[in-house]
Amino acid sequence: AQKVTQAQTEISVVEKEDVTLDCVYETRDTTYYLFWYKQPPSGELVFLIRRNSFDEQNEISGRYSWNFQKSTSSFNFTITASQVVDSAVYFCALYSGGYQKVTFGIGTKLQVIP
Amino acid sequence: NAGVTQTPKFRVLKTGQSMTLLCAQDMNHEYMYWYRQDPGMGLRLIHYSVGEGTTAKGEVPDGYNVSRLKKQNFLLGLESAAPSQTSVYFCASSYPGGDGYGYTFGSGTRLTVV
Repeated sequence: AQKVTQAQTEISVVEKEDVTLDCVYETRDTTYYLFWYKQPPSGELVFLIRRNSFDEQNEISGRYSWNFQKSTSSFNFTITASQVVDSAVYFCALYSGGYQKVTFGIGTKLQVIP
Repeated sequence: NAGVTQTPKFRVLKTGQSMTLLCAQDMNHEYMYWYRQDPGMGLRLIHYSVGEGTTAKGEVPDGYNVSRLKKQNFLLGLESAAPSQTSVYFCASSYPGGDGYGYTFGSGTRLTVV
């Protein structure tokens, strides 16, 4: 079985604050992929990043950064200098070959207050 | 450049009515999936298909049927709709499982059963 836990259901921050969204995963496979998706108020699901289990390098893309730590089974997502347009529900997801499906966390709703 | 197209986008059904949701993809993806999204539950897998002519049950298959007669289409059927099936339904497609490249999602179908 595989599982993704996003313990933060809702977060509110004031614009320009940094915010970290937590994601903890469980899988027995040694090869797996982790993802983050964004769902803005318009409802579509937007792919943000994929990381495979052999690549623990942190990644930065503009104001977004991701911290992958196998030792703690975590794949956290940080938004620096948050903006109102970052307001959305963010989903962490896990894919492993043995399971052949993507399992999603329940999502974290981020509200950025102007 | 359509990607994944879901029809209809909105639908209201009366309890006991039937309907079919259509998902079409033009990326030659082998794998296709149907998820439902409910508040506080994240995305849960209903059924999926690993190729033309194949289907398999996901996490919450009861009350739904699917068919994959053509590679590009994946149909989700509700034979006798119930209020508990009020949800937002997302279709997704991907390359074969070993790649773990992530999904391309449709824009969703908002279904209300009254």
